[in-house]
Amino acid sequence: QEQLVQSGAEVKKPGASVKVSCKASGYTFTGHYIHWVRQAPGQGLEWMGRINPNSGGTNYAQKFQGRVTMTRDTSISTAHMELSRLTSDDTAVYYCAREFPPSNTVGATPHWFDPWGQGALVTVSS
Amino acid sequence: EIVLTQSPGTLSLSPGERATLSCRASQSVGSIFLAWYQQKPGQAPRLLIYGASSRATGIPDRFSGSASGTDFTLTISRLEPEDFAVYYCQHYGSSLWTFGQGTKVEIK
Repeated sequence: QEQLVQSGAEVKKPGASVKVSCKASGYTFTGHYIHWVRQAPGQGLEWMGRINPNSGGTNYAQKFQGRVTMTRDTSISTAHMELSRLTSDDTAVYYCAREFPPSNTVGATPHWFDPWGQGALVTVSS
Repeated sequence: EIVLTQSPGTLSLSPGERATLSCRASQSVGSIFLAWYQQKPGQAPRLLIYGASSRATGIPDRFSGSASGTDFTLTISRLEPEDFAVYYCQHYGSSLWTFGQGTKVEIK
């Protein structure tokens, strides 16, 4: 079935960088945008950005511009999200999610995220 | 940038009762770009509704969505024990995505 499986939990020191991976299976990886969403402890969902696995093109939320880099490796159907200059405020569960419909869909159609990865906890602590 | 404001923050209800959750957009948005998700503790969000009113595959028909201008509503007609969770609305527009802050539906 279609699924996204993420890398494991990470503990980082302030000022460091973290890279989270998201491996897709059960569908054509290059056919759908992959998004990254984070959730701080006890807080809501925060959209970080997305990557087009076919072209490598990205859209980032303004808040993360200059600090986030989203990449992909089509040979292993995996997307990556790297966040730099970490602070304690970056402690959160980081999710990847597939956008539907396919990225080559034209016209005004509904968009949503499904499926989601299981999440990866990133803890930033000195 | 569009802001989605969900209300109430917490809804305390009993099983069998009707739940009405609100999501208001800060400006006019296309209703087809509005989705709802359910999230339970320790789990990833799950898609419930897309296009403001279309149920996702496998979602029970006690869940329904509607739209009126900048106001969007998620209704759970009769709460089942498994429905107590946090619910988020989400909007897509101009290659940007936004979530509401969430409504927690808790057991009264």
